[in-house]
Amino acid sequence: KQEVTQIPAALSVPEGENLVLNCSFTDSAIYNLQWFRQDPGKGLTSLLLIQSSQREQTSGRLNASLDKSSGRSTLYIAASQPGDSATYLCAPLGGGGNKLTFGTGTQLKVEL
Amino acid sequence: DGGITQSPKYLFRKEGQNVTLSCEQNLNHDAMYWYRQDPGQGLRLIYYSQIVNDFQKGDIAEGYSVSREKKESFPLTVTSAQKNPTAFYLCASSIGGVSNQPQHFGDGTRLSIL
Repeated sequence: KQEVTQIPAALSVPEGENLVLNCSFTDSAIYNLQWFRQDPGKGLTSLLLIQSSQREQTSGRLNASLDKSSGRSTLYIAASQPGDSATYLCAPLGGGGNKLTFGTGTQLKVEL
Repeated sequence: DGGITQSPKYLFRKEGQNVTLSCEQNLNHDAMYWYRQDPGQGLRLIYYSQIVNDFQKGDIAEGYSVSREKKESFPLTVTSAQKNPTAFYLCASSIGGVSNQPQHFGDGTRLSIL
């Protein structure tokens, strides 16, 4: 059974810092891995999807890397802004039925 | 705009009552999913459907039921057999059948017990 761990659970940083959010998973037989953002009381917004054959994916200030063999993914946020404050979730996809397994997330607060 | 609409935003259930959560999508996606989110836990899969008139149990299907009579709709019924229904429920959809497409989520329904 896939298990996903995200470290740190919470993070508070001043504006402008570059950030690293970590995700580890136990079963490396995955098709892809998605990073999501969740604002309080809201649904999930898909940020990046990395295919199992890819090493990284970039969108604006976000860069996600994937090391499938070691069961790790990292989300880099460059030049953080207060608007980046949210919970970030990673979810590898594997097994039958296109099933995502979610971590418990990293709660990020970027302060002015 | 294309997207996923969940209703209602808030829902209250009395003891012994069944309630139905609505999920509608206009993305022309084949696959739809229901997840439950509890504080301090990751999202857990309740049911999913890869195609109309077909659905499968996820990891925590007990006390829930679904139907998929139309491509755009995937309602979830929380039955009286679900003893701890208080949670945030999220519906998602994806193109389905391929692994290189993301899942898209609605804004959720928060269910509470009266």
